[in-house]
Amino acid sequence: DGGITQSPKYLFRKEGQNVTLSCEQNLNHDAMYWYRQDPGQGLRLIYYSQIVNDFQKGDIAEGYSVSREKKESFPLTVTSAQKNPTAFYLCASSANAVSGNTIYFGEGSWLTVV
Amino acid sequence: ELKVEQNPLFLSMQEGKNYTIYCNYSTTSDRLYWYRQDPGKSLESLFVLLSNGAVKQEGRLMASLDTKARLSTLHITAAVHDLSATYFCAVDSGGSNYKLTFGKGTLLTVNP
Repeated sequence: DGGITQSPKYLFRKEGQNVTLSCEQNLNHDAMYWYRQDPGQGLRLIYYSQIVNDFQKGDIAEGYSVSREKKESFPLTVTSAQKNPTAFYLCASSANAVSGNTIYFGEGSWLTVV
Repeated sequence: ELKVEQNPLFLSMQEGKNYTIYCNYSTTSDRLYWYRQDPGKSLESLFVLLSNGAVKQEGRLMASLDTKARLSTLHITAAVHDLSATYFCAVDSGGSNYKLTFGKGTLLTVNP
């Protein structure tokens, strides 16, 4: 079945550690996105990529990094510079970034700092 | 800066009743999206509204868009328990999918 796979589902990070969240899609979509969701809040865009080997900062990129070496993969690294990383992280994709294309979301990853 | 406000933020309904969720936004846009999220789960796309006056219906849910009023509504008809979820609207402010601004969501609880 086509879809977006995120892993791990749950992740615990110690202070000062970098962690990487995986996102893989088999929808043949060009555009991919990472969002952060905090309790009782809407989604905020961290990074997006419109095409392989290209990505752009979203509204809250500080403390995060991404890569887009393959069309189907868009991993997110939460670095130690991110001061408040505990949140629900959602990866998404769309056929392209043109307005009106449906955005499909993965199942999400819960990150907790311990 | 585009602001998107949903109301109510919390809604408790009885099964069989009708109700409307409102999504107001602050700048011109003719692209609006509605999503559903179950607790701890991903977001499911419900409707994509692409022009003024657009109306879409799926089952007991109907969404509409009034770009002049900068308002979208999500109407629930004869609610059932399975509709319990959080509903988000998102507005495109710049003609690209990476310019979506999400509302805070409306937590809907449908009671028997």
